[in-house]
Amino acid sequence: SQTIHQWPATLVQPVGSPLSLECTVEGTSNPNLYWYRQAAGRGLQLLFYSVGIGQISSEVPQNLSASRPQDRQFILSSKKLLLSDSGFYLCAWNPGDSSHQPQHFGDGTRLSIL
Amino acid sequence: QKEVEQNSGPLSVPEGAIASLNCTYSDRGSQSFFWYRQYSGKSPELIMFIYSNGDKEDGRFTAQLNKASQYVSLLIRDSQPSDSATYLCAVINGNNRLAFGKGNQVVVIP
Repeated sequence: SQTIHQWPATLVQPVGSPLSLECTVEGTSNPNLYWYRQAAGRGLQLLFYSVGIGQISSEVPQNLSASRPQDRQFILSSKKLLLSDSGFYLCAWNPGDSSHQPQHFGDGTRLSIL
Repeated sequence: QKEVEQNSGPLSVPEGAIASLNCTYSDRGSQSFFWYRQYSGKSPELIMFIYSNGDKEDGRFTAQLNKASQYVSLLIRDSQPSDSATYLCAVINGNNRLAFGKGNQVVVIP
């Protein structure tokens, strides 16, 4: 069966520091991968999605970036965090052969910026 | 108009009653519809998906889809305290993008 892992579970970072969040999927090949952010009192916002290695689409312009160095690895990064980057970051996947399949989420990373 | 709307405020239901949640969407080209459950502090968990008009039942959950009226609903029968959570409606629109509503909080009162 397929599983998705995200780490770390929680992170507290100062403003201006860098960020790296990692997500890996097991038990499938060539998945679609997604990064979402859920801010307090707001809905899920799609940040990036990827349909293959090195293929990244950005949904919202901001100081975040994403990379997919391997088929089942998706990384969210920032060079300098802002206060507004606080939130619950979720990685998700669905089968690469159909974007209409449900997305399944990892456990998330709760990021607090001080 | 928001892409996916869940307008109801927190829903309190007595244990054993039926909880009814509604969701409307704006894109008539939408094809796939999902309900996720999210416990406080946790990630969303898929509980139902529906692609065709009508009802789909899975245990105590029933999803209902009406594409002509552009709404999808979720019924939870015999509500249990463990059903207390936020329920997110999600829709894949005509551009193959998954859009989420803001969610409805359900509180089941023992």
